[in-house]
Amino acid sequence: DQQVKQNSPSLSVQEGRISILNCDYTNSMFDYFLWYKKYPAEGPTFLISISSIKDKNEDGRFTVFLNKSAKHLSLHIVPSQPGDSAVYFCAASARGRRDDKIIFGKGTRLHILP
Amino acid sequence: DSGVTQTPKHLITATGQRVTLRCSPRSGDLSVYWYQQSLDQGLQFLIQYYNGEERAKGNILERFSAQQFPDLHSELNLSSLELGDSALYFCASSVETSGRWSDTQYFGPGTRLTVL
Repeated sequence: DQQVKQNSPSLSVQEGRISILNCDYTNSMFDYFLWYKKYPAEGPTFLISISSIKDKNEDGRFTVFLNKSAKHLSLHIVPSQPGDSAVYFCAASARGRRDDKIIFGKGTRLHILP
Repeated sequence: DSGVTQTPKHLITATGQRVTLRCSPRSGDLSVYWYQQSLDQGLQFLIQYYNGEERAKGNILERFSAQQFPDLHSELNLSSLELGDSALYFCASSVETSGRWSDTQYFGPGTRLTVL
C-alpha cells in the first residue's frame, strides 16, 4: 500500500526551462510534506517542505505547491540547471499524531539536458 | 560531506548470514535514523533513536534490530539475511533536542549491502 506516490520514474527537462515534479498521497492524516534530493553515491539532502496550512512555499528557485483537496503536491524548479540532475524524493508525515514517522515516495530521476 | 559516517561502504554476504552496519552521527546530533533504499520500494524509514532510546519505528523487519550507544553512534543489525535485503542502507542524524522527527536530517553516504 503506497501512501506516497511519484508516478513518473524519470523526467527530462531542457536547461533553463521549468521542471515540475509531481507527488500524490492517499493518507488524509498527512499534514507535512517534504522534498529531498539525492545525487549518486550520496545520501539524500533536505530541499524544501510545506505544512498543510499553506498551499505554497518558495525557496529560491524551488517552489512547492500543495493541493489538499486533490491530495497532490508538486515541486517546481525554475530555471532548471545542470546541477539539478538528481533523484527527487517526495515525503509526507502526520505531525499531528504521536508517531509522526515519514513515508517516502519511490523517487523521480530528473535529467537536465544542455 | 554531511558529517555523518557509515561503515562499511560495501558489504557482500550470503543468505542466512548476519551483518552489522555502523553509523557515526554528526558531532552533537542526538537523533539517528536508519533508512533502506531498495529498487522496488524506494526509500523507507526503518527506525529512529534519540539519545540512546528508540523513538520511532517504521517498516523494520523483526530480523533487523538497531541500537544507539552512549557515544551516540548507532548500529543496525540484519540477521537471517535474504536476497530481498539487498539494498542501500542510509543513516541520518539530526540535532533535534526534543527527540521528535526533524526535517533537517543529515544523511550519510550509505552502505550497499549485497546478499548472494
